[in-house]
Amino acid sequence: EIVLTQSPGTLSLSPGERATLSCRPSQSVSGSSLAWYQQRSGQAPKLLIYGASSRATGVPDRFRGSASGTDFILTIARLEPEDFVMYYCQFYGSSRYTFGQGTKLEI
Amino acid sequence: LQLQEFTSGPVKSSQTLSLTCTVSGGSISSGGYSWNWIRQTPGKGLEWIGYTYASGGAYYSPSLKSRVTISVDRSINHFFLVLTPATAADTATYYCARAIPAAGGHFDTWGPGMQVTVSS
Repeated sequence: EIVLTQSPGTLSLSPGERATLSCRPSQSVSGSSLAWYQQRSGQAPKLLIYGASSRATGVPDRFRGSASGTDFILTIARLEPEDFVMYYCQFYGSSRYTFGQGTKLEI
Repeated sequence: LQLQEFTSGPVKSSQTLSLTCTVSGGSISSGGYSWNWIRQTPGKGLEWIGYTYASGGAYYSPSLKSRVTISVDRSINHFFLVLTPATAADTATYYCARAIPAAGGHFDTWGPGMQVTVSS
């Protein structure tokens, strides 16, 4: 079973700064099945990135997904106040899904 | 497309937890999608439970497989989750969500979530 480890657990930044969130699989996986979600308190997760680097419809271009070696990175350029919420990565493989434990982005 | 979760009512430990997901604004019979249940607790984060296809057939998380059944009724555009026997550890917010397996499996549409408490 693939385990996704997100780091850091909490990231403290200021509006206007750049955030870099990491998602490390326990074994090498295909980026085509790696997605990122944003979750506000009391709401369902919202798809941000799929296929490691494709932005979902309506997602601002300050959100960028990429791969670095075996890790996957979510970069948020020029943080806006509404960006300070939870972020999760997710992988799909062998007919199963796995989520990372999340990164909290705080001001 | 919109998804909405409904529960059958209060759940006591050792009894059956039942949830319905209604699909509106589109047909559950549209090809290429899986229909999923996911839950979330403060302690365990997001946990995938399983999915079904409109044609039937289901896949489950190994950790829940022995207690979970997911089914679909295409005639009313609903799909369902049954978990039995329920325990306090099943207290969570339950989401239904649509995924696109052929495009990487991401969840593109979610219901707003339903809080379910399993009481003793």
